[in-house]
Amino acid sequence: QVRLVQSGAEVKKPGASVKVSCKASGYTFTDYFLHWIRQAPGQGLEWMGWISPNSGGTNYAHNFQGRVTMTRDTSITTAFMELTNLQSDDTAVYYCARDVWARSSSGSFDPWGQGTLVTVSS
Amino acid sequence: IQVTQSPASLSASIGDRVTITCRASQSISSYLAWYQQKPGKAPKLLIHGASSLQSGVPSRFSGSGSGTDFTLTISSLQPEDFATYYCQQSNSYPYTFGQGTKLEIK
Repeated sequence: QVRLVQSGAEVKKPGASVKVSCKASGYTFTDYFLHWIRQAPGQGLEWMGWISPNSGGTNYAHNFQGRVTMTRDTSITTAFMELTNLQSDDTAVYYCARDVWARSSSGSFDPWGQGTLVTVSS
Repeated sequence: IQVTQSPASLSASIGDRVTITCRASQSISSYLAWYQQKPGKAPKLLIHGASSLQSGVPSRFSGSGSGTDFTLTISSLQPEDFATYYCQQSNSYPYTFGQGTKLEIK
């Protein structure tokens, strides 16, 4: 079955960077865009951007431009999201999620990874 | 595009019919999805394209609407349906979510 498995929880200091991985299985990795969405504790959902695993092309939400980089390694069917200059309000669960359409972004996400908690604290 | 859900919370009983509303700040055609999230879990897609039921989702869930006004309906609440529900627009970037509706047992 289609599955996305993310890396484990991270604790970072303000100003540091974090890189979260998302290992895909059960489908052709290059056929579907992958999105990153985050959720601060007790809060709603915020879309961060997508990556095309086929081309490596990306589209980042304005709020994160200049701080986020999404990459992929097709040899290990894994996508990565790196966020730099972390601040306390970046404390959140970060999710990867597959688009429901092949080869483009429908903007609907299924399935999701299990989430990675990133805690930013001095 | 801002997406506003109502109500923010809702109490209902097993077997009830429940409707949650989502309103977009401008027309988004049918580019709207609904998700269910249980505590400590990732969201799960229920509906995409405003009214298309995602594979494997029970038929008691349905979605309707276009333009700016949308609804998610659960025809007969089951115990496993108590969760938080989010709508999300994908008509234009950045994709945005509603603030959520928490559905609780009465």
